[in-house]
Amino acid sequence: QKEVEQDPGPLSVPEGAIVSLNCTYSNSAFQYFMWYRQYSRKGPELLMYTYSSGNKEDGRFTAQVDKSSKYISLFIRDSQPSDSATYLCAGRSNYQLIWGAGTKLIIKP
Amino acid sequence: NAGVTQTPKFQVLKTGQSMTLQCAQDMNHNSMYWYRQDPGMGLRLIYYSASEGTTDKGEVPNGYNVSRLNKREFSLRLESAAPSQTSVYFCASSDPQETQYFGPGTRLLVL
Repeated sequence: QKEVEQDPGPLSVPEGAIVSLNCTYSNSAFQYFMWYRQYSRKGPELLMYTYSSGNKEDGRFTAQVDKSSKYISLFIRDSQPSDSATYLCAGRSNYQLIWGAGTKLIIKP
Repeated sequence: NAGVTQTPKFQVLKTGQSMTLQCAQDMNHNSMYWYRQDPGMGLRLIYYSASEGTTDKGEVPNGYNVSRLNKREFSLRLESAAPSQTSVYFCASSDPQETQYFGPGTRLLVL
């Protein structure tokens, strides 16, 4: 079992929809969690991070962590075609990040 | 600021050939990383360097060597390339808050 599991998708939704992207993890030692966005043929870029359980909001994006169920989510409101990308979740333990495989998101105009 | 730069962008090798992937960052970060990314596998850490002069193995170090030449530069060497090393390679550096910043990647094809 991988330490961070993520559905690879693709997830295809119409423009304007609310998107929910999810990861599960098995390592209780993870200190915080990150979401990265990766456009095609580009390097990943940090979207959001959160240290504890609960919600963190940044514009149209909300990151949610439920440590009791080892479940992390990223919600995107009012989705735009420019949000089409692969979204990677990661948990941090000690010196390194443990990555999910990424979910490919397609926003249809 | 260029951020993290990588060269080359694309390379084709024959089995058994060697090559070095170059990485440089201009953000004065102490930590640098090399990852490979394969379909369905996500990012896997090959080697990392917590500071100039130190390197440590990650999840998949076999077949690779690294050199932290100075604070800016961290190179990855394949001594004898194998088809299993066909992948996209990313270099990253991290700030004191552990946010990682990635380069544009090197696409490597080993025939």
